[in-house]
Amino acid sequence: SQQGEEDPQALSIQEGENATMNCSYKTSINNLQWYRQNSGRGLVHLILIRSNEREKHSGRLRVTLDTSKKSSSLLITASRAADTASYFCATDYRIKAAGNKLTFGGGTRVLVKP
Amino acid sequence: DAGITQSPRHKVTETGTPVTLRCHQTENHRYMYWYRQDPGHGLRLIHYSYGVKDTDKGEVSDGYSVSRSKTEDFLLTLESATSSQTSVYFCAISVGGYRTEAFFGQGTRLTVV
Repeated sequence: SQQGEEDPQALSIQEGENATMNCSYKTSINNLQWYRQNSGRGLVHLILIRSNEREKHSGRLRVTLDTSKKSSSLLITASRAADTASYFCATDYRIKAAGNKLTFGGGTRVLVKP
Repeated sequence: DAGITQSPRHKVTETGTPVTLRCHQTENHRYMYWYRQDPGHGLRLIHYSYGVKDTDKGEVSDGYSVSRSKTEDFLLTLESATSSQTSVYFCAISVGGYRTEAFFGQGTRLTVV
C-alpha cells in the first residue's frame, strides 16, 4: 500500500481563498515533499521539509510536518486560477544499502474558480 | 525539463508482447525511478535504481523488470504486456542523499489492447 495518503481527494475553491490539503504516512521518513501536476504533464517539485523541521514557507506555500502524528499539511494562500492542478505528497525514506525510496500518495485535485 | 527524456511518448501494443520504455537523463543523477499513474491510485513506484546495476523493487513490481547499465539510461520492460498495465508511466531522477527532490519526465502513455 502507498506510503502517503492525501486528504481531501478533491477541493474546489474561489480565487483568492486559501487551499489546505493533508497528507498522512506510515513509516519513519527522512523528509516529506510536495509536488504539483498540471493535467497531462509530469510532476513538479514544490517544497521539501526535513523530518527535524516543523514548518516551512515558500512564497504562497506553507508546509507543516508533525512526525508524532505522521502527517503533513500544505497550505496555498490567496489562490489563483493557475493553481488549479493535482497536488501530491511524497515521502522519502532510506532503505539500508538500497538508497532513498520516494513514494507518493494518491493526490488532491484542486480547482480554483475565477 | 531537467534533462530527462522518456521514449516513446505514446505506444499501443498487444497483450502478450514485450515492451521496453526508456528513460534517458543528462544530469548525471544517481537515482532513477519508474512510476505508473492510474486514476484513483496516484503514482505508484514500480522499480528504482540507486546506481549503475543497482536496482530495487517498488510497490507494484510484478510483471516489470528494469536495467541500468549506465548512469544515463534506465529501462523498464514489461515482459508480457497485459491490459492491467495500460497506464501512464513516469520516470524521475534525483540527486539522492538529503536533496531528494525529484525531477520528472513528461510521461509515456501505454495502451495494451
